[in-house]
Formats: sequence, structure tokens, C-alpha cells
Amino acid sequence: LAKTTQPISMDSYEGQEVNITCSHNNIATNDYITWYQQFPSQGPRFIIQGYKTKVTNEVASLFIPADRKSSTLSLPRVSLSDTAVYYCLVGRTPNTGGFKTIFGAGTRLFVKA
Amino acid sequence: EAGVTQFPSHSVIEKGQTVTLRCDPISGHDNLYWYRRVMGKEIKFLLHFVKESKQDESGMPNNRFLAERTGGTYSTLKVQPAELEDSGVYFCASSQDGRGTGELFFGEGSRLTVL
Repeated sequence: LAKTTQPISMDSYEGQEVNITCSHNNIATNDYITWYQQFPSQGPRFIIQGYKTKVTNEVASLFIPADRKSSTLSLPRVSLSDTAVYYCLVGRTPNTGGFKTIFGAGTRLFVKA
Repeated sequence: EAGVTQFPSHSVIEKGQTVTLRCDPISGHDNLYWYRRVMGKEIKFLLHFVKESKQDESGMPNNRFLAERTGGTYSTLKVQPAELEDSGVYFCASSQDGRGTGELFFGEGSRLTVL
């Protein structure tokens, strides 16, 4: 299972774009990259998942370079409510035989007014 | 659609006692996972069920922990006897099997405090 490395914390201001990069040097061919968000006293919540290039949904974009050894979660125009811990996970999806996840320490994002 | 529900939300017990945590996954989700976060540490995988079968229990810390999922619906995680180091938040998650993106749906967690 690929280990991930993320910055421990980041600060930002409301309205700014935030980019959080995750390193996963030993990612396997079948691995997907998934990002979760966690607020205090809640379980992690899925944000976005990708395999290569770029994925965009209504809340974020995920950029994955060709070598897939890293990925960047991009949050456009953050608000105070985006203050949370963000986890980058690497693993297989259920439809390829199982998904055992390893949560790293995550990145604590603090959005200031 | 109801999400993943966990019970109790918080349990306080004394060392040596037994506690049983329950998880109700989203209906139709074959995959069920247990995780825990011990104070100040990372979220750690405990085990994975596919329906009623244990697919992977490599994260279970020791034989004081017993997880079951009879009938492939809800799951229980029993700690017997509880030790001080078992204190933490226990998360349950579920996901669909065979289709979808692999998104895990987490419950809000059961906080266990062992005194």
C-alpha cells in the first residue's frame, strides 16, 4: 500500500484558492487517489477521486501528473467553513478487489477571515 | 437515504469492562470497514468485511477485539476486556461493491473512553 506525505498544516484567507499537494512515490498501477475532508467530531467525507490527469467536481479539482507520484487537491475560493483536515489516500477501489485505506496525518487547513 | 450510523456516540467504561460498538452501513453496501483514531494518532484501519465475511482483519490490534457482521447487514465491534489504550474514536465506513468510485461513507464515530 502506497504511503502518502502531505504538509501538516496550511493557512489561507477567505476567497483564496488553496492547493494541497500529496506525495505518493510508490503508487501502484491499480491505485486510485482519493481525498477526504474531516471536520471535528465527524467522520471523514469524500471530496474527490482520480486516477490520472485532471478531475473536477462541484467542490474541488484534482491534478495528477503523468508519473502519478504526486497529486494536488485544489479548492477554489475557500470559505471559513472549509477549515478542516484533508486526507490524501491511495488504494484500490472495491471494483478491483478491495480498498484498504491508509490515512496519513492529513493536512490541517485553517481559513481566516 | 440514511447514512452510516454508529451507536453509541460516546461510551465511558472502566478498565476491564466490555463494550460493544454497533455500525449500521448504508443499505445495499457490501463493504464495511472499521477504523479507529487513538488520541493524537492517525486514523488506522482495523478490518474490512465483504458482506458477512472478513476480507481483511490485519489491522485488529489484538484478540481483545472481536468484530462480527452476521447476515451481512450491521456490524458490531466488541472490546473485551477494555484497556486504557483502547480509548479513542472508532469509525465505521461502508461502500458499494463492484461499481462506483470506491467512495467510503463514514459514520460520525463512536468515542470510547476507558478509565
